[in-house]
Amino acid sequence: EPEVTQTPSHQVTQMGQEVILRCVPISNHLYFYWYRQILGQKVEFLVSFYNNEISEKSEIFDDQFSVERPDGSNFTLKIRSTKLEDSAMYFCASLLEAVAADTQYFGPGTRLTVL
Amino acid sequence: DQQVKQNSPSLSVQEGRISILNCDYTNSMFDYFLWYKKYPAEGPTFLISISSIKDKNEDGRFTVFLNKSAKHLSLHIVPSQPGDSAVYFCAASAKASGTYKYIFGTGTRLKVLA
Repeated sequence: EPEVTQTPSHQVTQMGQEVILRCVPISNHLYFYWYRQILGQKVEFLVSFYNNEISEKSEIFDDQFSVERPDGSNFTLKIRSTKLEDSAMYFCASLLEAVAADTQYFGPGTRLTVL
Repeated sequence: DQQVKQNSPSLSVQEGRISILNCDYTNSMFDYFLWYKKYPAEGPTFLISISSIKDKNEDGRFTVFLNKSAKHLSLHIVPSQPGDSAVYFCAASAKASGTYKYIFGTGTRLKVLA
């Protein structure tokens, strides 16, 4: 069964450093998402991406964040200058098409720890 | 602004009994609702969904009920099994958003006791 994959599974970084989180969505899916979950809290929407551009972003997704689909296969989330409060699980998801009764499939997540 | 709420952070149920997980929402534009199951250090796994045009959807041991007038949905698991122990999130989306982003509830930790 096709699945969303994410690398690395755990990333530790120093405050102020740049990190890139990688995702490989399901191959024929067209819509891509990043969510995050701070420990013990709910899963929060960050950004959606379609047709090589951001279609929607949340208030969390400020200028420190960017997304890219560099090669038609990978979907990356970059945090330019990490802060302590960026520590969270980051989940990538993909969706075949944005119609009712379709379902997003989530990757296993990357745990980001900012020291 | 908590558009999707799960008011019970935890629930314990005996094996073989029914588990009922509840979810309330405030945005009347939501038209698609889902339940995801999540184990620690894993991504959410899709469980079951329901469109706003229905009031019930069933898949094996799992049934989701939607009460649009009350803006309430519930997930019934019967019979409950120890392997069902996990955190359950309800999520909602709206066609009007154009992107079908999901808004998640805070989760309910279900523990099924053997």
